[in-house]
Amino acid sequence: NAGVTQTPKFQVLKTGQSMTLQCAQDMNHEYMSWYRQDPGMGLRLIHYSVGAGITDQGEVPNGYNVSRSTTEDFPLRLLSAAPSQTSVYFCASSMTGTGGSTDTQYFGPGTRLTVL
Amino acid sequence: RKEVEQDPGPFNVPEGATVAFNCTYSNSASQSFFWYRQDCRKEPKLLMSVYSSGNEDGRFTAQLNRASQYISLLIRDSKLSDSATYLCAVNPSFTLTFGKGTMLLVSP
Repeated sequence: NAGVTQTPKFQVLKTGQSMTLQCAQDMNHEYMSWYRQDPGMGLRLIHYSVGAGITDQGEVPNGYNVSRSTTEDFPLRLLSAAPSQTSVYFCASSMTGTGGSTDTQYFGPGTRLTVL
Repeated sequence: RKEVEQDPGPFNVPEGATVAFNCTYSNSASQSFFWYRQDCRKEPKLLMSVYSSGNEDGRFTAQLNRASQYISLLIRDSKLSDSATYLCAVNPSFTLTFGKGTMLLVSP
């Protein structure tokens, strides 16, 4: 199993550009989520999905869209990039997302995004 | 009060030392608790879940105190390779809420 994969690893955008961060998992996990991590701010949840066709907002959803058309993929779209979106983005998945003590979240390697 | 709070550190300890971190949480409905480890510029990885009765995994011991709403992580006989940031996470619902992490630096 490749686990959780993310592409690209690094990206530089100009203000106003749009792009999609890709996330895929091959563990047949129902639950997937996107976090951003900024210095001094910790991991903050952007959006999450409890299954194909179902998404919901997290703590910091503004400026981001998601969709979940398949179990495997959960792309994150930046609609019009802003410097405040410069961050490291992590995708994560878990079996059910019920939050049980055995429902481990597995993280992808991250995408480092800089918006100029 | 923030949902999940940790002392950011850094905790500087010599090899072989015992070190402990605490993490407080505000939502009394939280049911699941975890410690993650994050190396510099890498993704977080689960270190251990925290069970009500406390649990141990080798040199690592995790405890939960529901009355005072905190979890703790004890590392015995610290190794250089333990240097990392330790994130606590709690799960009051579908989503995990993370603390900002505690940095540990183990020196020779």
